[in-house]
Amino acid sequence: AQRVTQPEKLLSVFKGAPVELKCNYSYSGSPELFWYVQYSRQRLQLLLRHISRESIKGFTADLNKGETSFHLKKPFAQEEDSAMYYCALNQSFGNEKLTFGTGTRLTIIP
Amino acid sequence: DSGVTQTPKHLITATGQRVTLRCSPRSGDLSVYWYQQSLDQGLQFLIQYYNGEERAKGNILERFSAQQFPDLHSELNLSSLELGDSALYFCASSVDLSGIRQFFGPGTRLTVL
Repeated sequence: AQRVTQPEKLLSVFKGAPVELKCNYSYSGSPELFWYVQYSRQRLQLLLRHISRESIKGFTADLNKGETSFHLKKPFAQEEDSAMYYCALNQSFGNEKLTFGTGTRLTIIP
Repeated sequence: DSGVTQTPKHLITATGQRVTLRCSPRSGDLSVYWYQQSLDQGLQFLIQYYNGEERAKGNILERFSAQQFPDLHSELNLSSLELGDSALYFCASSVDLSGIRQFFGPGTRLTVL
Protein backbone atom coordinates (compact mmCIF):
# COMPACT_ATOMS: atom_id res chain seq x y z
CA ALA A 1 0.00 0.00 0.00
CA GLN A 2 1.18 3.50 -0.69
CA ARG A 3 2.17 5.67 2.22
CA VAL A 4 3.48 9.18 2.66
CA THR A 5 5.45 10.17 5.73
CA GLN A 6 6.19 13.68 6.87
CA PRO A 7 8.27 13.20 9.99
CA GLU A 8 8.03 16.77 11.27
CA LYS A 9 4.68 18.01 12.51
CA LEU A 10 6.11 21.43 13.31
CA LEU A 11 9.08 23.26 11.88
CA SER A 12 10.30 26.72 12.82
CA VAL A 13 12.89 28.51 10.75
CA PHE A 14 14.31 32.02 10.92
CA LYS A 15 13.60 34.38 8.08
CA GLY A 16 16.38 34.18 5.52
CA ALA A 17 17.47 30.71 6.61
CA PRO A 18 17.13 27.65 4.36
CA VAL A 19 14.02 25.53 4.65
CA GLU A 20 13.67 21.81 4.09
CA LEU A 21 10.40 20.00 4.62
CA LYS A 22 10.87 16.28 4.57
CA CYS A 23 8.69 13.81 2.76
CA ASN A 24 9.25 10.10 2.32
CA TYR A 25 7.01 7.72 0.49
CA SER A 26 6.53 4.03 0.05
CA TYR A 27 5.15 2.75 -3.19
CA SER A 28 6.37 -0.07 -5.35
CA GLY A 29 5.56 1.51 -8.70
CA SER A 30 6.36 4.83 -10.29
CA PRO A 31 4.71 7.54 -8.24
CA GLU A 32 3.66 11.06 -8.96
CA LEU A 33 4.42 13.37 -6.07
CA PHE A 34 3.06 16.74 -5.13
CA TRP A 35 3.35 19.39 -2.49
CA TYR A 36 0.17 21.13 -1.39
CA VAL A 37 0.11 24.23 0.79
CA GLN A 38 -2.55 25.73 3.02
CA TYR A 39 -1.99 29.32 4.08
CA SER A 40 -3.87 30.72 7.05
CA ARG A 41 -7.56 31.13 6.26
CA GLN A 42 -7.07 29.94 2.70
CA ARG A 43 -7.93 26.70 1.02
CA LEU A 44 -5.51 23.93 0.27
CA GLN A 45 -3.80 24.47 -3.06
CA LEU A 46 -1.26 22.75 -5.22
CA LEU A 47 2.25 24.15 -4.79
CA LEU A 48 4.23 22.00 -7.16
CA ARG A 49 4.45 18.63 -8.91
CA HIS A 50 7.58 16.61 -9.37
CA ILE A 51 6.79 16.02 -13.03
CA SER A 52 6.89 19.73 -13.76
CA ARG A 53 10.33 20.16 -12.20
CA GLU A 54 9.32 23.72 -11.49
CA SER A 55 10.18 26.28 -8.87
CA ILE A 56 7.18 27.93 -7.28
CA LYS A 57 7.58 30.81 -4.83
CA GLY A 58 11.23 29.84 -4.58
CA PHE A 59 10.43 26.26 -3.55
CA THR A 60 11.78 23.22 -5.34
CA ALA A 61 11.44 19.52 -4.72
CA ASP A 62 13.44 16.71 -6.25
CA LEU A 63 12.20 13.18 -6.44
CA ASN A 64 14.88 10.81 -5.15
CA LYS A 65 13.75 7.31 -6.03
CA GLY A 66 16.74 5.71 -4.31
CA GLU A 67 15.84 7.32 -1.01
CA THR A 68 12.09 7.38 -1.78
CA SER A 69 12.02 11.04 -0.81
CA PHE A 70 10.52 14.22 -2.16
CA HIS A 71 11.78 16.91 0.19
CA LEU A 72 10.64 20.49 -0.32
CA LYS A 73 13.38 23.10 -0.20
CA LYS A 74 13.81 26.82 -0.30
CA PRO A 75 17.17 28.54 0.13
CA PHE A 76 15.92 31.65 1.95
CA ALA A 77 12.72 31.52 3.98
CA GLN A 78 10.27 34.41 3.87
CA GLU A 79 7.61 35.26 6.43
CA GLU A 80 4.84 34.58 3.93
CA ASP A 81 6.00 30.98 3.69
CA SER A 82 4.40 30.24 7.06
CA ALA A 83 1.72 27.67 6.28
CA MET A 84 0.75 24.03 6.49
CA TYR A 85 2.49 21.89 3.88
CA TYR A 86 1.29 18.50 2.71
CA CYS A 87 3.20 16.03 0.62
CA ALA A 88 0.97 13.82 -1.54
CA LEU A 89 1.37 10.81 -3.76
CA ASN A 90 -0.66 9.64 -6.71
CA GLN A 91 -0.05 6.22 -8.15
CA SER A 92 0.50 6.40 -11.85
CA PHE A 93 -1.92 4.52 -14.04
CA GLY A 94 -5.26 3.65 -12.68
CA ASN A 95 -5.49 5.04 -9.19
CA GLU A 96 -7.46 8.18 -8.85
CA LYS A 97 -6.79 9.20 -5.30
CA LEU A 98 -4.12 11.21 -3.60
CA THR A 99 -2.49 9.89 -0.47
CA PHE A 100 -1.46 12.73 1.77
CA GLY A 101 1.11 12.90 4.51
CA THR A 102 0.06 14.24 7.89
CA GLY A 103 1.45 17.65 7.09
CA THR A 104 4.13 19.95 8.47
CA ARG A 105 3.29 23.32 9.94
CA LEU A 106 6.05 25.69 8.93
CA THR A 107 6.51 28.85 10.97
CA ILE A 108 8.95 31.50 9.81
CA ILE A 109 10.40 33.48 12.68
CA PRO A 110 10.96 37.15 11.76
CA ASP B 1 -10.65 31.32 -6.28
CA SER B 2 -10.68 27.67 -7.28
CA GLY B 3 -14.42 27.58 -7.83
CA VAL B 4 -15.17 24.65 -5.52
CA THR B 5 -17.84 25.60 -3.02
CA GLN B 6 -18.84 23.86 0.17
CA THR B 7 -21.76 24.42 2.49
CA PRO B 8 -22.17 24.93 5.32
CA LYS B 9 -18.98 26.60 6.52
CA HIS B 10 -19.50 25.52 10.08
CA LEU B 11 -21.69 22.89 11.64
CA ILE B 12 -22.18 22.20 15.31
CA THR B 13 -24.19 19.18 16.32
CA ALA B 14 -24.52 16.58 19.03
CA THR B 15 -23.36 12.99 19.27
CA GLY B 16 -25.67 10.51 17.62
CA GLN B 17 -26.94 13.02 15.08
CA ARG B 18 -26.72 12.95 11.30
CA VAL B 19 -25.46 15.74 9.06
CA THR B 20 -25.07 16.34 5.35
CA LEU B 21 -22.20 18.29 3.85
CA ARG B 22 -22.53 19.64 0.36
CA CYS B 23 -19.96 20.28 -2.34
CA SER B 24 -20.23 21.89 -5.77
CA PRO B 25 -17.24 21.21 -8.01
CA ARG B 26 -15.64 23.67 -10.39
CA SER B 27 -17.50 24.12 -13.61
CA GLY B 28 -16.49 21.35 -15.98
CA ASP B 29 -14.92 19.10 -13.33
CA LEU B 30 -16.34 15.60 -13.24
CA SER B 31 -14.44 14.17 -10.28
CA VAL B 32 -15.23 15.00 -6.69
CA TYR B 33 -13.10 13.92 -3.73
CA TRP B 34 -13.84 14.09 -0.03
CA TYR B 35 -11.14 14.44 2.61
CA GLN B 36 -11.16 14.62 6.37
CA GLN B 37 -8.60 16.80 8.09
CA SER B 38 -8.07 16.28 11.79
CA LEU B 39 -5.32 17.51 14.06
CA ASP B 40 -3.82 14.15 14.79
CA GLN B 41 -4.30 12.38 11.47
CA GLY B 42 -3.73 15.10 8.95
CA LEU B 43 -5.55 14.98 5.64
CA GLN B 44 -7.21 11.67 4.91
CA PHE B 45 -8.87 10.67 1.69
CA LEU B 46 -12.41 9.42 2.18
CA ILE B 47 -14.03 8.79 -1.19
CA GLN B 48 -14.07 9.82 -4.84
CA TYR B 49 -16.86 10.09 -7.37
CA TYR B 50 -16.56 10.54 -11.09
CA ASN B 51 -19.55 11.55 -13.16
CA GLY B 52 -21.95 10.13 -10.64
CA GLU B 53 -20.17 6.87 -9.91
CA GLU B 54 -18.03 5.90 -6.97
CA ARG B 55 -14.44 5.41 -8.15
CA ALA B 56 -12.22 5.06 -5.13
CA LYS B 57 -12.64 4.57 -1.43
CA GLY B 58 -10.25 5.46 1.31
CA ASN B 59 -10.57 5.50 5.07
CA ILE B 60 -14.28 6.10 5.11
CA LEU B 61 -16.28 4.75 8.02
CA GLU B 62 -19.42 2.74 7.42
CA ARG B 63 -21.37 5.47 9.21
CA PHE B 64 -20.37 7.82 6.40
CA SER B 65 -21.72 7.76 2.88
CA ALA B 66 -21.58 9.99 -0.13
CA GLN B 67 -23.13 10.45 -3.51
CA GLN B 68 -22.74 12.55 -6.61
CA PHE B 69 -25.82 13.84 -8.32
CA PRO B 70 -26.52 14.31 -12.06
CA ASP B 71 -25.64 17.99 -11.77
CA LEU B 72 -22.28 16.79 -10.37
CA HIS B 73 -22.64 18.26 -6.92
CA SER B 74 -21.85 15.85 -4.13
CA GLU B 75 -23.05 15.25 -0.61
CA LEU B 76 -21.26 13.58 2.26
CA ASN B 77 -23.58 12.11 4.86
CA LEU B 78 -22.25 11.50 8.35
CA SER B 79 -24.47 9.59 10.75
CA SER B 80 -24.38 8.41 14.36
CA LEU B 81 -21.87 11.13 14.95
CA GLU B 82 -19.17 10.71 17.56
CA LEU B 83 -16.91 13.25 19.23
CA GLY B 84 -14.01 11.98 17.14
CA ASP B 85 -15.78 12.94 13.94
CA SER B 86 -15.09 16.59 14.69
CA ALA B 87 -12.83 17.73 11.88
CA LEU B 88 -12.54 19.85 8.80
CA TYR B 89 -14.07 18.14 5.79
CA PHE B 90 -12.72 19.16 2.42
CA CYS B 91 -14.11 18.57 -0.99
CA ALA B 92 -11.90 18.76 -4.07
CA SER B 93 -12.62 18.45 -7.74
CA SER B 94 -10.65 17.68 -10.84
CA VAL B 95 -11.51 17.59 -14.49
CA ASP B 96 -10.70 13.93 -15.01
CA LEU B 97 -10.07 10.65 -13.24
CA SER B 98 -6.37 11.06 -12.72
CA GLY B 99 -6.66 13.41 -9.77
CA ILE B 100 -3.38 14.96 -10.72
CA ARG B 101 -4.58 18.46 -10.21
CA GLN B 102 -7.25 18.77 -7.59
CA PHE B 103 -8.84 22.04 -6.62
CA PHE B 104 -9.98 22.25 -3.04
CA GLY B 105 -12.97 23.89 -1.48
CA PRO B 106 -12.77 25.97 1.69
CA GLY B 107 -13.94 23.10 3.86
CA THR B 108 -16.75 22.53 6.35
CA ARG B 109 -15.78 22.57 9.99
CA LEU B 110 -17.82 20.01 11.88
CA THR B 111 -17.94 20.15 15.65
CA VAL B 112 -19.62 17.31 17.49
CA LEU B 113 -20.46 18.09 21.12
